[in-house]
Amino acid sequence: DAGITQSPRYKITETGRQVTLMCHQTWSHSYMFWYRQDLGHGLRLIYYSAAADITDKGEVPDGYVVSRSKTENFPLTLESATRSQTSVYFCASSEGGGGSYEQYFGPGTRLTVT
Amino acid sequence: TQLLEQSPQFLSIQEGENLTVYCNSSSVFSSLQWYRQEPGEGPVLLVTVVTGGEVKKLKRLTFQFGDARKDSSLHITAAQPGDTGLYLCAGADAGNMLTFGGGTRLMVKP
Repeated sequence: DAGITQSPRYKITETGRQVTLMCHQTWSHSYMFWYRQDLGHGLRLIYYSAAADITDKGEVPDGYVVSRSKTENFPLTLESATRSQTSVYFCASSEGGGGSYEQYFGPGTRLTVT
Repeated sequence: TQLLEQSPQFLSIQEGENLTVYCNSSSVFSSLQWYRQEPGEGPVLLVTVVTGGEVKKLKRLTFQFGDARKDSSLHITAAQPGDTGLYLCAGADAGNMLTFGGGTRLMVKP
């Protein structure tokens, strides 16, 4: 199906483990984004990518790594998970990076770090 | 980092009532978007405003961008249970990345 998908939808992991969250979009959008959503903080940008092989830090990048070898995929890796990374993670894509472009969000991944 | 403050954080009203949600900042934004999010789903764009003083209407929803492009409001007329959800404003900064407000959680009771 066309759209933007995330996997897994739910993940429980232990402190110190590496975790990768997957994001796939079928629109060939140039821009892709990773956000985390926590109560009281709204959505905070972790990393974004303007095109394949081009990534840049957002507001809260520490402890996360991204890559974008293909336009349609934008995985987010937590190299050594911490309890403070318990959150709901949203991937989004858009045609452009400007504020006038709509961002299309995936359904989210709820990550719990024990 | 530019901050966007949304108020109120929570709002519970009866069907048929009117309400206004506010989004305020000390920073100027090049544009501002409003999203609506339902439980278990990602946010969905409602509107984008780009000009100071701009007013946009979407059925019973009226969006206004402040003259100085630092604030915005969302007014819902005759709210319905289907309007229940989390409303998020997001401002675009000079780098064109979006900064989201903390959200307003709206519940409309039948």
